[in-house]
Amino acid sequence: EADIYQTPRYLVIGTGKKITLECSQTMGHDKMYWYQQDPGMELHLIHYSYGVNSTEKGDLSSESTVSRIRTEHFPLTLESARPSHTSQYLCASSEGDRHHPAFFGPGTRLTVL
Amino acid sequence: AQSVTQLDSHVSVSEGTPVLLRCNYSSSYSPSLFWYVQHPNKGLQLLLKYTSAATLVKGINGFEAEFKKSETSFHLTKPSAHMSDAAEYFCVVNSGTYKYIFGTGTRLKVLA
Repeated sequence: EADIYQTPRYLVIGTGKKITLECSQTMGHDKMYWYQQDPGMELHLIHYSYGVNSTEKGDLSSESTVSRIRTEHFPLTLESARPSHTSQYLCASSEGDRHHPAFFGPGTRLTVL
Repeated sequence: AQSVTQLDSHVSVSEGTPVLLRCNYSSSYSPSLFWYVQHPNKGLQLLLKYTSAATLVKGINGFEAEFKKSETSFHLTKPSAHMSDAAEYFCVVNSGTYKYIFGTGTRLKVLA
């Protein structure tokens, strides 16, 4: 079944740790996105990718980095987590043009102590 | 430039009464518009989309939305609210760039 997956769903870590949030999609979509969402708030784009080896920063400044080595995989990495990184991170993917909606994963809720 | 304004941050309705969630957009080009729903601790689910075909769009779970270019609006409606409709709803615009621009969301509360 075509879908988009995120792991872990919940993560609690200490300050200074390096973490990677995983995102994979089996829909064959070229475009992938990472959004950050604080509780009860709107979504802010932090990274996007048009395809393999293509990554760009989004509208919201983020200390995270991403990579796109395979079409289906778009991991997000924080080299040194801080309490200000506590948030929900949503991964999404979409087909070629603006007429197609984005499909979202279930999200990773990150808490940095 | 493109943007989305959701006019109500919170809406409360009684079960069985109509739902109206309001969305206005701004776009330099002919937009594609979407409504998503987010239940607590869940990801976003697509309710419906407008992509320049019929202006009245039907979605899942009995929701529909009407695209009105003259009013730059894309309001979401449902004839009869159900308890399971309680959630956060996001209006989204895409005018041809990589960006899906999200509104600030409307929290729908359904009263028994």
